[in-house]
Amino acid sequence: DTGVSQDPRHKITKRGQNVTFRCDPISEHNRLYWYRQTLGQGPEFLTYFQNEAQLEKSRLLSDRFSAERPKGSFSTLEIQRTEQGDSAMYLCASSLVIWAGGNQPTNTGELFFGEGSRLTVL
Amino acid sequence: AQSVTQLDSQVPVFEEAPVELRCNYSSSVSVYLFWYVQYPNQGLQLLLKYLSGSTLVKGINGFEAEFNKSQTSFHLRKPSVHISDTAEYFCAVRSKNSGYSTLTFGKGTMLLVSP
Repeated sequence: DTGVSQDPRHKITKRGQNVTFRCDPISEHNRLYWYRQTLGQGPEFLTYFQNEAQLEKSRLLSDRFSAERPKGSFSTLEIQRTEQGDSAMYLCASSLVIWAGGNQPTNTGELFFGEGSRLTVL
Repeated sequence: AQSVTQLDSQVPVFEEAPVELRCNYSSSVSVYLFWYVQYPNQGLQLLLKYLSGSTLVKGINGFEAEFNKSQTSFHLRKPSVHISDTAEYFCAVRSKNSGYSTLTFGKGTMLLVSP
C-alpha cells in the first residue's frame, strides 16, 4: 500500500493555459475526493466519485473545472483557461465505504489524503 | 449543512508546555469529528477521530481530544508539546447520514512551538 499519490506535486503555469492533475488512490478504495486549499484556509470540497460515478460537485467547481475517474481507479482534475485565482493546493483523498444493502454505510469511511498538487498561475 | 469554527488562527507556545486548540462545530444532524495535522508542503494526516462512545479520544503523537455535545466542541490537547509539533491543525466534521458525501473543515490553527 503506497497511499494516495498525486502528480505533479508542483505546477507553474501562465494565465490562460490548461493544467491537469492526476490522483492515484489507495487501490481498494471506492471513493475519491478532490479538495482545494488556499493560503490561510482549510480544505474546501470540490467533488467526489463513487467508483467511476461523479456523485457530487461543489458550486466552487466552475465550468472551467472538470474531473473524471474513467475506470474507477485514478482520477484527473483539469482546469481550463487558468486564472490567477486558481492558484491553490489541490488535494486528493480516497476512502473505502462499505454498504451492506441499506442506504447507510456500515463503516466510517475514513479519508486518506495525498500530499497535494500545488498550482501557481502567473 | 455543517460548519466548523477554529477560534484561534495561531497559537504560540513554548516547548514542553501544554496546549489546547479549540474547535466548535454546528450541525443539524449527528456528526463524526476529526482532527488532522498538516506539515509544510504536505497533505493532511489524521490525528484522531470521534465516532461514538467515550468522549475522550486519544490519537497519535500524544494528542487527545474531548467531545462535548452540549457545547458542540471538540478541543484538541497535548500535555507537553515538542518543536516537531509545529504544524497546522484542522478540525473537521462529517455527517453520519447521507452516505458520507463530504468532510467540512475549519480554517485551521497554526501551532508554533518555540524552544
